[in-house]
Amino acid sequence: QVQLVQSGAEVKKPGASVKVSCKASGYTFTSYDINWVRQATGQGLEWMGWMNPNSGNTGYAQKFQGRVTVTRNTSISTAYMELSSLRSEDTAVYYCARTGSCSGCIDYWGQGTLVSVSS
Amino acid sequence: DIVMTQTPLSLSVTPGQPASISCKSSQSLLHSDGKTYLYWYLQKPGQSPQLLIYEVSSRFSGVPDRFSGSGSGTDFTLKISRVEAEDVGVYYCMQGIHSITFGQGTRLEIK
Repeated sequence: QVQLVQSGAEVKKPGASVKVSCKASGYTFTSYDINWVRQATGQGLEWMGWMNPNSGNTGYAQKFQGRVTVTRNTSISTAYMELSSLRSEDTAVYYCARTGSCSGCIDYWGQGTLVSVSS
Repeated sequence: DIVMTQTPLSLSVTPGQPASISCKSSQSLLHSDGKTYLYWYLQKPGQSPQLLIYEVSSRFSGVPDRFSGSGSGTDFTLKISRVEAEDVGVYYCMQGIHSITFGQGTRLEIK
């Protein structure tokens, strides 16, 4: 079965960076794009960017351009999202999620990683 | 960015009764390939979102047939024919024709 397992919660200070991992299993990692979506507490879903694990090509929401970097290690079927220059407003749960075969749908999601930014 | 607007933002439904959620996009979601890139998700309390509907009206694997989607262009609707207790959570529409954006969410509770 398809699974996306993310790294554990992080606590960071303003100005620092955070790197969240997402390990895929149950399918061929390089065959499906990976997206990153975040959700502040009690708020809605916000798409941050995507990556094609085969080519390494990426695309980012304009809001996060210059601050987010998505990478991968195909040998261990793992994607990474690094967010820099953290501020308190970046406190949120960060999800990785797979783009499936159903016409661009996001079909499977990781369990989420809470990133807390506080001085 | 394409703005997705959902109504209502919350609804309270008696079990066994129907429910309906509207989603309007600021631009048409109909692509030149003939597909309409509109999806529906449910986020149950304490869980990650789960896919319900893709391409306006196709149910994802394992989704009960009491869930249905309809619409075209910029106006879309998710209907639950008979609400059950397990349907509680926040429903989101999402567009995927130009980048990805979500609606603000509709919270469904049981009366």
